[in-house]
Amino acid sequence: EVQLVESGGGLVQPGGSLRLSCAASGFNLRNYWMHWVRQVPGKGLVWVSRVNSDGSYTRYEDSVKGRFTISRDNAKNTLFLQMNSLRPEDTAVYYCAREGEGNDYYLDVWGKGTTVTVSS
Amino acid sequence: DIQMTQSPSSLSASVGDRVTITCRASQNIRRYLNWYQQRAGKAPRLLIFAASSLQSGVPSRFSGSGSGTDFTLTISSLQPEDFATYYCQQSTNTPWTFGQGTKVDIK
Repeated sequence: EVQLVESGGGLVQPGGSLRLSCAASGFNLRNYWMHWVRQVPGKGLVWVSRVNSDGSYTRYEDSVKGRFTISRDNAKNTLFLQMNSLRPEDTAVYYCAREGEGNDYYLDVWGKGTTVTVSS
Repeated sequence: DIQMTQSPSSLSASVGDRVTITCRASQNIRRYLNWYQQRAGKAPRLLIFAASSLQSGVPSRFSGSGSGTDFTLTISSLQPEDFATYYCQQSTNTPWTFGQGTKVDIK
């Protein structure tokens, strides 16, 4: 079964750091571009970051640039999101998602999400 | 950044109704438009990609159309499991952006 499982969320103080992980199973992560998307409870979806299959190309949403870093370990079939200088407005459920194959650019597999709460 | 605007923001419908949700992009996104369904407390699920291609495993009552700036998601006969929030999303360039969502609930 194709699956993504996020972990690493939790409660952190403003200015703190967290590292989210996303473990892939049922497919070879090295063949896919990957994304992080977040959602404040009760609000809409917000794209956060994208990484290509070997980790050499990354893109970020403006509000997280310089604070968040997306990376991957293809040997361990795992995607990461290092989050530094966290702010209360980063509080959200964070989903990792797989970009589908081909040139149509969509997110075809999603994890169940991990919750990040930034509060003192 | 490309802005995506969905309408309506919410709607009430009955089982068996035909439901149409529209999505407008702030600039030409060709056919790089995807639709997702999110049930309460669950992760999003891809329904339609590239404006009109049905994702594998998605019931055929879901369909998408449009190109350029105006797009539509149609549910031909609403089923109980379709009560959810629907999001459009453009992928023509980063940042990928989502519409604000359309919540479909029971009339």
